[in-house]
Amino acid sequence: ILNVEQSPQSLHVQEGDSTNFTCSFPSSNFYALHWYRWETAKSPEALFVMTLNGDEKKKGRISATLNTKEGYSYLYIKGSQPEDSATYLCASTTGANNLFFGTGTRLTVIP
Amino acid sequence: DTAVSQTPKYLVTQMGNDKSIKCEQNLGHDTMYWYKQDSKKFLKIMFSYNNKELIINETVPNRFSPKSPDKAHLNLHINSLELGDSAVYFCASSQSRIPNQPQHFGDGTRLSIL
Repeated sequence: ILNVEQSPQSLHVQEGDSTNFTCSFPSSNFYALHWYRWETAKSPEALFVMTLNGDEKKKGRISATLNTKEGYSYLYIKGSQPEDSATYLCASTTGANNLFFGTGTRLTVIP
Repeated sequence: DTAVSQTPKYLVTQMGNDKSIKCEQNLGHDTMYWYKQDSKKFLKIMFSYNNKELIINETVPNRFSPKSPDKAHLNLHINSLELGDSAVYFCASSQSRIPNQPQHFGDGTRLSIL
């Protein structure tokens, strides 16, 4: 079992603000790090999968970075919009196929 | 078109009953999963199948039996339901068993045991 931690647990930001949150994972035997966006009453939706130290991925206003040596990933949202309100999950894997999820960061964007 | 579909969406039943949850994916993926979202909101892997073959079984009680009739379907049968089985169960699929592939999730089945 991998201990994957996310912080903060919840976050309220004003529309237009930029924000970021953290995912920490064990750096030993690291294989891949996943980010998912989970809107209420919907299913988790994949945002990024990253494997290499220093990876940076971007999708619109959302981007993520990966540091496998120290075991963390940041998710950034630029110019937050109300539709960005969701829980953002990260999950890590050692390559044995199973993902270990954190409990998520619940983001609320206030109009 | 729904990519990963689970039925039923809600399931309310008595302790001791046997029930099944069905999952189908139309993405042509080789690998399918069952997750349980526990009371602390963690998503925990239960099972994984690759081309109908079981590849992960994460210390789940043997009252839970997955069945994969073909690679597009992974059903979950639960015998002798207990109160602690109340949870939301999610099915997911990925293109292959290599974990650098994103997973696609169904909408979940909320199981409530009375």
